[in-house]
Amino acid sequence: DIQMTQSPSSVSASVGDRVTITCRASQGISSWLAWYQQKPGKAPKLLIYAASSLQSGVPSRFSGSGSGTDFTLTISSLQPEDFATYYCQQANSFPLTFGQGTRLEIK
Amino acid sequence: EVQLVQSGAEVKKPGESLKISCKGSGYSFTSYWIGWVRQMPGKGLEWMGIIYPGDSDTRYSPSFQGQVTISADKSISTAYLQWSSLKASDTAMYYCARPRGPFGGAFDIWGQGTMVTVSS
Repeated sequence: DIQMTQSPSSVSASVGDRVTITCRASQGISSWLAWYQQKPGKAPKLLIYAASSLQSGVPSRFSGSGSGTDFTLTISSLQPEDFATYYCQQANSFPLTFGQGTRLEIK
Repeated sequence: EVQLVQSGAEVKKPGESLKISCKGSGYSFTSYWIGWVRQMPGKGLEWMGIIYPGDSDTRYSPSFQGQVTISADKSISTAYLQWSSLKASDTAMYYCARPRGPFGGAFDIWGQGTMVTVSS
């Protein structure tokens, strides 16, 4: 199985800050990487697919980059509604696997 | 509108069986995989398995193989997740999800979740 490791596990930031979350795959997954946002009591929401493609309706302050084993999610200017938990997921091969999550908290 | 609608919350006792459902609408149900994801209270997302309703091809995470059964009834556009003997540790929210494309990939459509509580 491909293991996905996110860092940091949690981060505190302020509105307007730029935040970067990283995700590392235990083996190469090309660009088969997705990022999700989850708020308490809600289903996850797809933000980025194919490592860097923005899902329809997602604000442009979200961006993704990387290929192979190392990936990044960047939020360019945090908004109040961005405080949530973020997950990466590899879609390269079964079994699909998620990272452990990064909790983004208000400083 | 493309959507997945899951069955309602369940409260069960250890040892009981359970089958929860996920009904797809607004798209060709037989042309897209449907996956199941577990989220234990306060924990992260865990991918359980996936089924292609067109031919019932099913893949499981090793962590869930033998613990649950995933199935689908294409005549009613519904996927299922079932347990033959529940444990307290099965207490969790369960989501179904559909990938963006017919060949898989990221999940862009999610059900609302089904909360399963197992307690004596």
